[in-house]
Amino acid sequence: EAQVTQNPRYLITVTGKKLTVTCSQNMNHEYMSWYRQDPGLGLRQIYYSMNVEVTDKGDVPEGYKVSRKEKRNFPLILESPSPNQTSLYFCASSNRKTYEQYFGPGTRLTVT
Amino acid sequence: DQQVKQNSPSLSVQEGRISILNCDYTNSMFDYFLWYKKYPAEGPTFLISISSIKDKNEDGRFTVFLNKSAKHLSLHIVPSQPGDSAVYFCAASAEDDKIIFGKGTRLHILP
Repeated sequence: EAQVTQNPRYLITVTGKKLTVTCSQNMNHEYMSWYRQDPGLGLRQIYYSMNVEVTDKGDVPEGYKVSRKEKRNFPLILESPSPNQTSLYFCASSNRKTYEQYFGPGTRLTVT
Repeated sequence: DQQVKQNSPSLSVQEGRISILNCDYTNSMFDYFLWYKKYPAEGPTFLISISSIKDKNEDGRFTVFLNKSAKHLSLHIVPSQPGDSAVYFCAASAEDDKIIFGKGTRLHILP
């Protein structure tokens, strides 16, 4: 089954404690991306990657890091989380040509 | 500066009638447009797309229209069904491979 998986699905943490949200896709997609969804703001792109070892900033990259060492995986790293990073996060992947993205189920992060 | 705008936060439509969701954009370099549908507690799912070289794309009950001169696109759903109740996001991509989403429109299909 074609899918994008994210882990964990729910996470409560404290300010400053480093965390990683994993993302994996099984469709051999070139393009992968992270978004955050906040009330009234829609989906905003954090980082995207067009292929292995190629990453670029989206609209809201501050406070986040990513890496793309393998085609299937695209982890999101928060080195020092802050309460304003409390949000619902989605990972997505697509064939680069069409951008018709498959989204993961989301990770709800709370930073206290 | 919001490059992709969905000016209607919500829309209510009678079951069986046509639903029309609108989206405006400001960046003339956008070359691909997409619509996504999102149910609560799920990730968005791709619905339909259109390249900037076309003005219409149809897939079953869903049709997307693109008016480049007005920088406007719309999604038509005919006929509307109860399962269409969801949040709909318009998105656009440009040559830099960024994807910009609108804030979404919540569609309610009334019985």
